[in-house]
Parts: sequence; structure tokens; C-alpha cells
Amino acid sequence: GAVVSQHPSWVICKSGTSVKIECRSLDFQATTMFWYRQFPKQSLMLMATSNEGSKATYEQGVEKDKFLINHASLTLSTLTVTSAHPEDSSFYICSARNHEAFFGQGTRLTVV
Amino acid sequence: GENVEQHPSTLSVQEGDSAVIKCTYSDSASNYFPWYKQELGKRPQLIIDIRSNVGEKKDQRIAVTLNKTAKHFSLHITETQPEDSAVYFCAAGLINQGGKLIFGQGTELSVKP
Repeated sequence: GAVVSQHPSWVICKSGTSVKIECRSLDFQATTMFWYRQFPKQSLMLMATSNEGSKATYEQGVEKDKFLINHASLTLSTLTVTSAHPEDSSFYICSARNHEAFFGQGTRLTVV
Repeated sequence: GENVEQHPSTLSVQEGDSAVIKCTYSDSASNYFPWYKQELGKRPQLIIDIRSNVGEKKDQRIAVTLNKTAKHFSLHITETQPEDSAVYFCAAGLINQGGKLIFGQGTELSVKP
């Protein structure tokens, strides 16, 4: 079946630094990918829609300057958390749709 | 925008019993309703989905029903097994939006042997 790969699976960074997370569709092309954030014991909250070759569409309340999204190819979207702070610590998951929505394995970000 | 409400937040059943999880959605335009199972620290896995032109769908021990008029849909798991224990999420979206989904709050299902 279609596979979405996310890297890294976990990362620890210092407050104030930036972290880049990659999301790849391995065996299909995805003009659209989605980024979600999940806090412990909570639901997946849609952050933004990543559009290949154009600007991402952000959900209400999500800071576009803090969560930079780039979708430069049909198989890769990146999410960069800029100037990370402890409150940004969360589980970030991407998805892309072939005949169904496939999720990456998620990235657990811890900001210390 | 779409809003999805899911109940209950926790559900404990005995092995062999049935489990039912219910969701309601707000946007009548939504036409795609998947259910995901998520184990701790893992990615969500699709277990069943239903489109708005269908009222019920079944796959072995799992079934989903959809009431478009009332804007609610339900997941039914029969003959539950301990390995069914996980967090289950419902979601709603539009098929032509390429997978953009709004999720319910999740239900932590515990199946006791």
C-alpha cells in the first residue's frame, strides 16, 4: 500500500532553535499534504495544508511565520518549527492521500 | 468550518462484548467519514471508512453507520478482543479535498480479558 515516511521520528532541541521535519510520499505523488499536531492524550489538530508549488494554507490560530511549510516537489513537504519553545513540544504528524489518507509515523518534538 | 464531536472519551468492555463509538459533525457538505485506530506513540491506522452515499458498511467485526440527516456516524466493534484496545478517532472531510480531515476527540477503548 501507499507509504508516507516522516523524518525524524523524534528530536530534542534547545529553546530558540529551529527544527525541520520531512514528510515524503514514497510510492505516489502528492500535490497536497497535511500537517497535524497532537498533544498527549488529545486529538489530531489540523495545522495546515501543504500545496506543491504554492503557499501553504494555515488553519485559524496557527502562526505561519512560526511553522514554515515548504512543498517543493510532488513527494516532499517540510515543516520547520522556528524559534521553538517548550510549548511547541508535541507529536507532529503529516498525511498524504492516495485512495485514502496515509499518515507518516510522526515526529515527537521535545523543546528543552 | 467543520467540527466533530466524539463520545465517549473512554470505554471499557469485557472481551467478547460489543463496543460502540459515536460521532457527530457540523458541516453538511462533508462526505467522507473515516475511522482510525491509534496505538500509543504510533501513527493512526485506517480501519474503516464510509462515504455519504452509503448508510452502512461492514468489514468482519467492524461496521460503520451513517445518518446524513442527523449528521452522525457510529463505529461498531463486535466480539471485541484485547488487541482491539487502543484510541479510536473518527474524522470528517471532503473527498475532493485530498485528505483534509477534522478529527473527533478520540475514544480510549479498553478490552478486558
